[in-house]
Amino acid sequence: GDSVTQMEGPVTLSEEAFLTINCTYTATGYPSLFWYVQYPGEGLQLLLKATKADDKGSNKGFEATYRKETTSFHLEKGSVQVSDSAVYFCALSDGDSGAGSYQLTFGKGTKLSVIP
Amino acid sequence: GAVVSQHPSRVICKSGTSVKIECRSLDFQATTMFWYRQFPKQSLMLMATSNEGSKATYEQGVEKDKFLINHASLTLSTLTVTSAHPEDSSFYICSARGGSFNTEAFFGQGTRLTVV
Repeated sequence: GDSVTQMEGPVTLSEEAFLTINCTYTATGYPSLFWYVQYPGEGLQLLLKATKADDKGSNKGFEATYRKETTSFHLEKGSVQVSDSAVYFCALSDGDSGAGSYQLTFGKGTKLSVIP
Repeated sequence: GAVVSQHPSRVICKSGTSVKIECRSLDFQATTMFWYRQFPKQSLMLMATSNEGSKATYEQGVEKDKFLINHASLTLSTLTVTSAHPEDSSFYICSARGGSFNTEAFFGQGTRLTVV
């Protein structure tokens, strides 16, 4: 079955540091890939997504590129802020469009803490 | 964006009792709602998918008689954990999609259930 593996946290960085959260996946078809973020006390929010190989999703300074050859979708940000402190989830959907089935398979989540 | 409200955010109940968790879409009609469960340091696991007005579709291994899901209206779905046991203690999250927000799923804040 489908699975998502992301680096375990917690991750603690100083403000303005570079962030990478690794995510790799296993899927039988051609999944769409997502990063969700959960800020303290809030629900999950879609951060970015990519629906096909070599697509790059980006939002709020975060980026992730769909790498089919390495089955990866690593999340990066060049300069993190305190407000980026949250839990980040990598996920995949096995629907071709990424919008259809929404039976998402999640990674375990990575908690990021950014200190001033 | 669309808002999904989940209530309560935390609940403690005694073994053998039942507890109901509500998931509401506040500004859109949710034709489909999803219920997830997350164990500590584990992924979010899809429990069931419900479409308004029809019976929920449960994932393999999820007891439908223990986790009762009702989706009687386009803005409300409920998950009732019946005869709760300590092993049911977990974090439960709902998500919803539908109407003009049918291209992605929106998540509630989650409910931390502790059974003592």
